[in-house]
Amino acid sequence: AQSVTQLGSHVSVSEGALVLLRCNYSSSVPPYLFWYVQYPNQGLQLLLKYTTGATLVKGINGFEAEFKKSETSFHLTKPSAHMSDAAEYFCAVLGEYGNKLVFGAGTILRVKS
Amino acid sequence: DADVTQTPRNRITKTGKRIMLECSQTKGHDRMYWYRQDPGLGLRLIYYSFDVKDINKGEISDGYSVSRQAQAKFSLSLESAIPNQTALYFCATSDLDRGGYNEQFFGPGTRLTVL
Repeated sequence: AQSVTQLGSHVSVSEGALVLLRCNYSSSVPPYLFWYVQYPNQGLQLLLKYTTGATLVKGINGFEAEFKKSETSFHLTKPSAHMSDAAEYFCAVLGEYGNKLVFGAGTILRVKS
Repeated sequence: DADVTQTPRNRITKTGKRIMLECSQTKGHDRMYWYRQDPGLGLRLIYYSFDVKDINKGEISDGYSVSRQAQAKFSLSLESAIPNQTALYFCATSDLDRGGYNEQFFGPGTRLTVL
């Protein structure tokens, strides 16, 4: 069965610093992977997704993630944090039969001025 | 207008009461989902529906039921609410699988408190 582990329930960075949010997955089939962001009092919004092809995926708001099969990882990065990036971020993997998403526990990103 | 709407946005109820959360979508998607979000647990799937005649249990369906009234409407009911059902509930929709992936679009959430 598919599963997702997000390392670090809370991450704090200074404005302008590198953002790195970690995600490791377990999947019995080639994975389709997603990062979602949830801003305060809002629903989830898709940041980026990996399906097939290029392993470095670019998303909205300057975020990107790299699929590393050998490490079963899909870490999310952004070169320079902005105050508006403060939110909760969820990594997800598509279920085995392609019909549902399995989410990680989430990482709350705090950006300090 | 929002593509996926949820009503109510906030609800406080008492133990033992029946409550219904509603979800409507204008995206024309066939697939709809109900999740609950708890701090530190992420989102967990309660029920999902691939079309009006297809309803499936998710990983935490006990204590919940659903109704797919139309392609655009998917309701979640708590027959007898209990305090540990206090959570943030999300509805989501997606299109049929194309290319093998399944991007889901989420509503704004319903915050439910059971006293």
